[in-house]
Amino acid sequence: DTEVTQTPKHLVMGMTNKKSLKCEQHMGHRAMYWYKQKAKKPPELMFVYSYEKLSINESVPSRFSPECPNSSLLNLHLHALQPEDSALYLCASSRAGTGANVLTFGAGSRLTVL
Amino acid sequence: AQTVTQSQPEMSVQEAETVTLSCTYDTSENNYYLFWYKQPPSRQMILVIRQEAYKQQNATENRFSVNFQKAAKSFSLKISDSQLGDTAMYFCAFMKQARGGADGLTFGKGTHLIIQP
Repeated sequence: DTEVTQTPKHLVMGMTNKKSLKCEQHMGHRAMYWYKQKAKKPPELMFVYSYEKLSINESVPSRFSPECPNSSLLNLHLHALQPEDSALYLCASSRAGTGANVLTFGAGSRLTVL
Repeated sequence: AQTVTQSQPEMSVQEAETVTLSCTYDTSENNYYLFWYKQPPSRQMILVIRQEAYKQQNATENRFSVNFQKAAKSFSLKISDSQLGDTAMYFCAFMKQARGGADGLTFGKGTHLIIQP
């Protein structure tokens, strides 16, 4: 299995809702990432998990809460989001440690906040 | 902090032509990796090619090759015999060498490449 699977593909939520994005990989990768991508812009790094521990948080607002329950799963919990949070959310995974750790990306979850 | 600059927002070429996308970067790191990813309209980010900074030899993957100039901090992508399926947004990306953990990619703003029939 060489894929990163993201669910749901599309999500529409109100500003008071609580929802979650899910990401799964079975490549034995021990690093997982969340990126946010606005239309016609490059992806922006949000979080990095290394060996199931949060290693990088790029000053993301607390309304985004990441979780890594095990080495195959990565969640992004969403609460009290703003319309400007509408974007494509990309998950990626890679080997951890030194070396050219190539990121494998999922197809993304398109989030719309009303 | 690293920066990646792609100065061509959009390029358009005819099918079968050769096209070169430019990328420059700035870093104080000595050990790092450079990548080109493509993102077609389906939005899946796909690795095109990668280059280790310590390797002088330019990377090649079938029709895709790079011209890596470490001193000039330049990393251009050449696509030979371009095909309609090459139409996509192309991102140049930088990763510093992780020290036992993982580090993310820093992306350039992207070049929208259109292959015309």
